Amino acid sequence: DGGITQSPKYLFRKEGQNVTLSCEQNLNHDAMYWYRQDPGQGLRLIYYSQIVNDFQKGDIAEGYSVSREKKESFPLTVTSAQKNPTAFYLCASSMRAGLSYNEQFFGPGTRLTVL
Amino acid sequence: SQKIEQNSEALNIQEGKTATLTCNYTNYSPAYLQWYRQDPGRGPVFLLLIRENEKEKRKERLKVTFDTTLKQSLFHITASQPADSATYLCALKPHLYNQGGKLIFGQGTELSVKP
Repeated sequence: DGGITQSPKYLFRKEGQNVTLSCEQNLNHDAMYWYRQDPGQGLRLIYYSQIVNDFQKGDIAEGYSVSREKKESFPLTVTSAQKNPTAFYLCASSMRAGLSYNEQFFGPGTRLTVL
Repeated sequence: SQKIEQNSEALNIQEGKTATLTCNYTNYSPAYLQWYRQDPGRGPVFLLLIRENEKEKRKERLKVTFDTTLKQSLFHITASQPADSATYLCALKPHLYNQGGKLIFGQGTELSVKP
């Protein structure tokens, strides 16, 4: 089955710890994205990547880091510098279509709670 | 300032009626607009895409319109069913963002269909 997976589903972190959220896709999509969703708010873009070994900051990149060493993988690290990390994190991917991109396919999400 | 806004209040309708959700934007020049469905605790699922030069798109019981003069998209679900209950997100692809498939999401409107 083709799809996009995220792990873990739930993650608890103590203050001051870094944590890494996993995102894997087997759709052969070129672009991958990380979003954060807070209650009552829409999705806010953290980082995105169009090709391997390249990524760009989104609107709320401070306190986060990413890597894109393989086309199918785009892990997100939430560092201790992120002041309010408790949120629902969503990973997505999309296929290039000419100069544009098709719709985004989302993973099931990771709910991160800071204790 | 640039904004994309959806009705923040939940929409409650009776089964069989038509649900109409609104997405308004300001200070964007959109290449296209997408609609997604999100169920609680899950990732969004793509429904429809409408381009700037299109007035209307249909898919089964779904219809989306796009008025670039009013800077508004309307999303309709005809013959609504309780299974249509979810949060619906609109997402805009600005012309200016030519890196990847970067989207700007609205905050979503929660739809509840009562039997």
